[in-house]
Amino acid sequence: AQSVAQPEDQVNVAEGNPLTVKCTYSVSGNPYLFWYVQYPNRGLQFLLKYITGDNLVKGSYGFEAEFNKSQTSFHLKKPSALVSDSALYFCAVRAGSSASKIIFGSGTRLSIRP
Amino acid sequence: DGGITQSPKYLFRKEGQNVTLSCEQNLNHDAMYWYRQDPGQGLRLIYYSQIVNDFQKGDIAEGYSVSREKKESFPLTVTSAQKNPTAFYLCASNSGRAADTQYFGPGTRLTVL
Repeated sequence: AQSVAQPEDQVNVAEGNPLTVKCTYSVSGNPYLFWYVQYPNRGLQFLLKYITGDNLVKGSYGFEAEFNKSQTSFHLKKPSALVSDSALYFCAVRAGSSASKIIFGSGTRLSIRP
Repeated sequence: DGGITQSPKYLFRKEGQNVTLSCEQNLNHDAMYWYRQDPGQGLRLIYYSQIVNDFQKGDIAEGYSVSREKKESFPLTVTSAQKNPTAFYLCASNSGRAADTQYFGPGTRLTVL
């Protein structure tokens, strides 16, 4: 069975500092991994995804994520946080089959203090 | 929010009423999805459809119904059998291929009065 875990409900970071939002997954076969961001009362916006190839994936708004197969992780990172990055972040995983469903993590609230 | 529209943005329902949430996409996507999000919670899958005239139950289908008569449209009806319908409802779509990104609409906030 597929699963994805975001172990931190909330992450607090000072503006200008690096940030990391953690995600681990479990899936049979090769995983497809996604990060989304949600601002209040809005839908989810796609940030980046890992399908194959380079383990470091770059996405929107300066975010990047590193796929680590041995640790089954896909942590979201940004070198320098902005107050505007404050939002709810979701990790998602899908097995490499069109018949599989995408599974979302429970979300991590990122709070950037000025 | 891409090419997915949801209406209305806010919806109020009285006890015992059925209400229908609209979801339309102009992305030519085969697959469409409905999720429920409760405050501070993640997403739970209600129903999904991978092709016109076919749909499957998700994890929390009880009290909900859907139809997929057109590729562009996937309306969700919240019936009176759904005991706790107050939530934020999100519609999404993708091409149906596993590697493709799932795109989301802006959501409908349903409140039971």
